[in-house]
Amino acid sequence: EPEVTQTPSHQVTQMGQEVILRCVPISNHLYFYWYRQILGQKVEFLVSFYNNEISEKSEIFDDQFSVERPDGSNFTLKIRSTKLEDSAMYFCASRRQGAYSGYTFGSGTRLTVV
Amino acid sequence: GQSLEQPSEVTAVEGAIVQINCTYQTSGFYGLSWYQQHDGGAPTFLSYNGLDGLEETGRFSSFLSRSDSYGYLLLQELQMKDSASYFCAVNYGGSQGNLIFGKGTKLSVKP
Repeated sequence: EPEVTQTPSHQVTQMGQEVILRCVPISNHLYFYWYRQILGQKVEFLVSFYNNEISEKSEIFDDQFSVERPDGSNFTLKIRSTKLEDSAMYFCASRRQGAYSGYTFGSGTRLTVV
Repeated sequence: GQSLEQPSEVTAVEGAIVQINCTYQTSGFYGLSWYQQHDGGAPTFLSYNGLDGLEETGRFSSFLSRSDSYGYLLLQELQMKDSASYFCAVNYGGSQGNLIFGKGTKLSVKP
């Protein structure tokens, strides 16, 4: 079964440092998303990406965040200057075009900002 | 504001039936989804209701009433492996499929 692949599985970074979280969505999927989940809390929407551009972003997705699809397969989330409150599990997800279908989530990257 | 309400915890025994309710209040609504998440794992898509009524997928069924802004997930013949958190999520973004998640219901299945 096709999978969404995320790397790294766990990243520890110092406050103020830049991090890049990487994702390889399922190849025939056209919609891509980043969500995050602070430990023990609900999954929160960050950004959606379609046709090589951001289609929507949440209030969480401020100027410190950016996304890229640099080569047609990878989908990255960059946080320019991490804050303690950015510590969370970050999930990449994708879904195919057409009638609404469920997301396929990656296994996530646990980001710890110290 | 946008909100989804679901119980925080439910406990049931193996073989039983459990219903997890979800009420929502969102600015847009295109459908209600359910996701399962085991501890430390990724959310896994279970079902989607775009229209009123019942959708059945094996031991799991999901129901939607748009007029009542209400839905539920029904799990039958519970198994120990069903112990997980279950999230309802509203698709408010139409074809973009953007989701707002509820806070999740932690289901514990006892022997």
